[in-house]
Amino acid sequence: NAGVMQNPRHLVRRRGQEARLRCSPMKGHSHVYWYRQLPEEGLKFMVYLQKENIIDESGMPKERFSAEFPKEGPSILRIQQVVRGDSAAYFCASSAGSSYNSPLHFGNGTRLTVT
Amino acid sequence: AQRVTQPEKLLSVFKGAPVELKCNYSYSGSPELFWYVQYSRQRLQLLLRHISRESIKGFTADLNKGETSFHLKKPFAQEEDSAMYYCALGVGTGRDDKIIFGKGTRLHILP
Repeated sequence: NAGVMQNPRHLVRRRGQEARLRCSPMKGHSHVYWYRQLPEEGLKFMVYLQKENIIDESGMPKERFSAEFPKEGPSILRIQQVVRGDSAAYFCASSAGSSYNSPLHFGNGTRLTVT
Repeated sequence: AQRVTQPEKLLSVFKGAPVELKCNYSYSGSPELFWYVQYSRQRLQLLLRHISRESIKGFTADLNKGETSFHLKKPFAQEEDSAMYYCALGVGTGRDDKIIFGKGTRLHILP
């Protein structure tokens, strides 16, 4: 089992471009979480998805950010018209069920740099 | 408000000395607490959770609801304990569970 796979590992975008971050959960996991880590900050919850459903997006900025987890394929975190403040490490985690009973398995993260 | 506070950014401890990483939480519901660890060049991974009442790699953590704390302790530090430690709080009522993290404490074990 390869674990949670995130790609790309590093992503450089100019201001105004779109960033697409991909996350393939562990085999058999149907729960995906996205977190953002800014310099000197901890992991900030962004969104929790199950297959084809957004369960909790309370941590997502209201504009430019969206996430999906389709029936087939990886989960995608999309950032439109990126700005310098979007530069951060974005981590994806997956679990087999409710996070209380199933530990989160993290990917290696995608480091986004906006120039 | 739901919040996890780790007051120390960096904690340096001599090998063989006791370790205590502090964590306080704020949550009106019934808390589920976890410690996650990230060793150098490795992924963030679960270390332990309060519901299991287990000791992992010599570490223990007791949930103190009166003080709203979940400090991580180890009686004798080892060099391989050097890592980034995150305290985490599970919130929700079942279908909408999520885990929120503190800012983390970097533990540096001195030889």
